[in-house]
Amino acid sequence: AQTIHQWPVAEIKAVGSPLSLGCTIKGKSSPNLYWYWQATGGTLQQLFYSITVGQVESVVQLNLSASRPKDDQFILSTEKLLLSHSGFYLCAWSPIWGSGNTLYFGEGSRLIVV
Amino acid sequence: QQKVQQSPESLSVPEGGMASLNCTSSDRNFQYFWWYRQHSGEGPKALMSIFSDGDKKEGRFTAHLNKASLHVSLHIRDSQPSDSALYFCAASELNTGNYKYVFGAGTRLKVIA
Repeated sequence: AQTIHQWPVAEIKAVGSPLSLGCTIKGKSSPNLYWYWQATGGTLQQLFYSITVGQVESVVQLNLSASRPKDDQFILSTEKLLLSHSGFYLCAWSPIWGSGNTLYFGEGSRLIVV
Repeated sequence: QQKVQQSPESLSVPEGGMASLNCTSSDRNFQYFWWYRQHSGEGPKALMSIFSDGDKKEGRFTAHLNKASLHVSLHIRDSQPSDSALYFCAASELNTGNYKYVFGAGTRLKVIA
């Protein structure tokens, strides 16, 4: 069975400080990977997706960047946090082939920027 | 304008009752639809997908898709307190090279015991 693990579970960071959130998928070879952001009680906004190692596509610009250093790992980062970065960050995966593939989400990382 | 619109924003039903959630897309490129459920503090979990016109039933959950009107609904019969959560409709395009999934704003369901 596939498992998806996100770290850290929660962080409180200062404005202007750097951030790194991570996601690891086990039990699935070469998945598509995604980052989503969710304001408290709000909708899910897709940030990035990656279909292969080293290749990441941006969906919206939020002064964030993403990288896929390994087949099973997806990293979200920024050098300078803004108050607007607060929220719930969700990593997801889907099978790589075919249309209409379901997204499977991790348990998320909650970020509070102060 | 959001491409996937959900209604109502919130809904309260008695335990054992029927909950009905609605979703409409404004983009005819969206041909694949899902319903997700998110409990507080957790990641969303896929309830069911629906890609063809008509009904799809899984246990207490029934989804209905009308492609002509791009309307999707979710009906939950015999609602339980554990069904209390935020429900999202999600859509994706009919394109194997497209990796964008759009979510609606959500419907918050409360099942009252």
